[in-house]
Amino acid sequence: QKEVEQNSGPLSVPEGAIASLNCTYSDRGSQSFFWYRQYSGKSPELIMSIYSNGDKEDGRFTAQLNKASQYVSLLIRDSQPSDSATYLCAVNARYSSASKIIFGSGTRLSIRP
Amino acid sequence: KAGVTQTPRYLIKTRGQQVTLSCSPISGHRSVSWYQQTPGQGLQFLFEYFSETQRNKGNFPGRFSGRQFSNSRSEMNVSTLELGDSALYLCASSPSGQGTITDTQYFGPGTRLTVL
Repeated sequence: QKEVEQNSGPLSVPEGAIASLNCTYSDRGSQSFFWYRQYSGKSPELIMSIYSNGDKEDGRFTAQLNKASQYVSLLIRDSQPSDSATYLCAVNARYSSASKIIFGSGTRLSIRP
Repeated sequence: KAGVTQTPRYLIKTRGQQVTLSCSPISGHRSVSWYQQTPGQGLQFLFEYFSETQRNKGNFPGRFSGRQFSNSRSEMNVSTLELGDSALYLCASSPSGQGTITDTQYFGPGTRLTVL
């Protein structure tokens, strides 16, 4: 079982609509959750971090965390063509005495005009 | 603040050679993590350095090694290059390291390595 799972997509959303990206994780003890955006040929760029159950909003982006169900999602409102990118979910996971950040394989999002 | 910088940005090497990549973290950040990104495997964790000590390691062969200097700059070395080592190598810096709950990683632009 993969530790952090995302639907690879592509997810196609019309401009102006809400894009919903989902991520599930396997380590119940995970406490830190991140969403990164990566444009083709570029490095990942942090969008949001979330640590507590519930919603966290930042501009057009909302991260949602449900630790009981072990999922984290990212909503993008009023989607723009510039939002077309791969979105990476990252979760911290415990390995014996150390923690490390594990990345999902990413969801490719395409916003169609 | 200046972001994470990586040099060189592009490298072409042949099989059997070795390569050294460099990463300068954001000022004040003490943790540097290295990742390999390929289309097939996604973002794979190589190792993390904090205060000149390797704190965590991924599942890569011993040909991959790294170190961190007292100014937090880090280098990664790959010896005896193989074709499969062709990838984007990303470095990420953070203030306190991956073991801290609120610690957040910021990525550099990456080094694109091509092995012929």
